[in-house]
Amino acid sequence: ILNVEQSPQSLHVQEGDSTNFTCSFPSSNFYALHWYRWETAKSPEALFVMTLNGDEKKKGRISATLNTKEGYSYLYIKGSQPEDSATYLCASGRTGANNLFFGTGTRLTVIP
Amino acid sequence: ETGVTQTPRHLVMGMTNKKSLKCEQHLGHNAMYWYKQSAKKPLELMFVYSLEERVENNSVPSRFSPECPNSSHLFLHLHTLQPEDSALYLCASSQVRGGKNIQYFGAGTRLSVL
Repeated sequence: ILNVEQSPQSLHVQEGDSTNFTCSFPSSNFYALHWYRWETAKSPEALFVMTLNGDEKKKGRISATLNTKEGYSYLYIKGSQPEDSATYLCASGRTGANNLFFGTGTRLTVIP
Repeated sequence: ETGVTQTPRHLVMGMTNKKSLKCEQHLGHNAMYWYKQSAKKPLELMFVYSLEERVENNSVPSRFSPECPNSSHLFLHLHTLQPEDSALYLCASSQVRGGKNIQYFGAGTRLSVL
């Protein structure tokens, strides 16, 4: 069992605000860090996979950073839109294992 | 459409019933997974079939029994379940060894045990 923690648990922001949330994970035997977006009544969908310390990924208004030495990743959303409302999951993979260990997610609600 | 299809989407069963959940992936992946999502808990890995080997979470009760007849199909057989087994059951597939192990999820089966 790998202890992956996400904060905050939930977040309400106004449309147009920028926001960020945190994923922390054990840094030992680290292999990869995944971010997924999970909209209500849909399947979780992969946003980013990062493996190297200092990695930064960007997709439109969403970006993520990775610090493997201290065991955390940040997800940033610039200029939040109502369609960004979803639960954002992070998951950590470790060397020698095929499965991922998920956090409980951050539920984001963007208020129009 | 993620390429992973789960049926049924909703299931209500009594504690004495036997039912099966089905998952099919059309992505050519070599690993398939069952996860359980309970309220306010992380996604809990139940079983992994990877390169024809099965890995299981030892905390999963024997009333859950997986079956993977080939790399594209995965079943979860349910028998004598308890009300606390009510949850969302997600199937996923990925490409291990040579891929980034990105998980592609189905839409899930919402299970209610009465």
